[in-house]
Amino acid sequence: DAGVIQSPRHEVTEMGQEVTLRCKPISGHNSLFWYRQTMMRGLELLIYFNNNVPIDDSGMPEDRFSAKMPNASFSTLKIQPSEPRDSAVYFCASSLGQGWNIQYFGAGTRLSVL
Amino acid sequence: SQQGEEDPQALSIQEGENATMNCSYKTSINNLQWYRQNSGRGLVHLILIRSNEREKHSGRLRVTLDTSKKSSSLLITASRAADTASYFCATTGANNLFFGTGTRLTVIP
Repeated sequence: DAGVIQSPRHEVTEMGQEVTLRCKPISGHNSLFWYRQTMMRGLELLIYFNNNVPIDDSGMPEDRFSAKMPNASFSTLKIQPSEPRDSAVYFCASSLGQGWNIQYFGAGTRLSVL
Repeated sequence: SQQGEEDPQALSIQEGENATMNCSYKTSINNLQWYRQNSGRGLVHLILIRSNEREKHSGRLRVTLDTSKKSSSLLITASRAADTASYFCATTGANNLFFGTGTRLTVIP
């Protein structure tokens, strides 16, 4: 199994630009999570999907952030417009079942907004 | 908040020594998990202990859970340089999972 695949690994963009992060979960997993990790705030859960349906998006910081899961094998996290304070490492994770089981993380996308 | 807090924030030991990290949390849980994160990588699951378990072993890892004190500990025995990483506890409730702030472990060869 290839594991959770995220792309791109690194993204550098200018303030105001749209950023799209992509995630392919492990085949057969029906829960998907987006996290953000910074030195100041640690690891924060942004949104959780179960069977492609957003279950908890209370961690999404503001309307500039949106996430979609059009099918069981693909999810996107979009930031529009991006701001320097969005600079962080964004992780996608997937798990089997309701979600609060063992999570398998991707390698992350390091985002830098200049 | 149910978020776990690890203690210490950083730990530096010599290769071969044991490393102990602690996690405290605030509310009741279904299970508690430990993850490792190597620099520049995603988190990797190490071990899961359920709320009705008190101790669990996996290779050189030993995890204890004391629900009365709302705390858990992770012991790594006979540490190796490759164990250098950040270690996070994650507490799981009915419909949520919270990661702690992590312990940065450095094992000196």
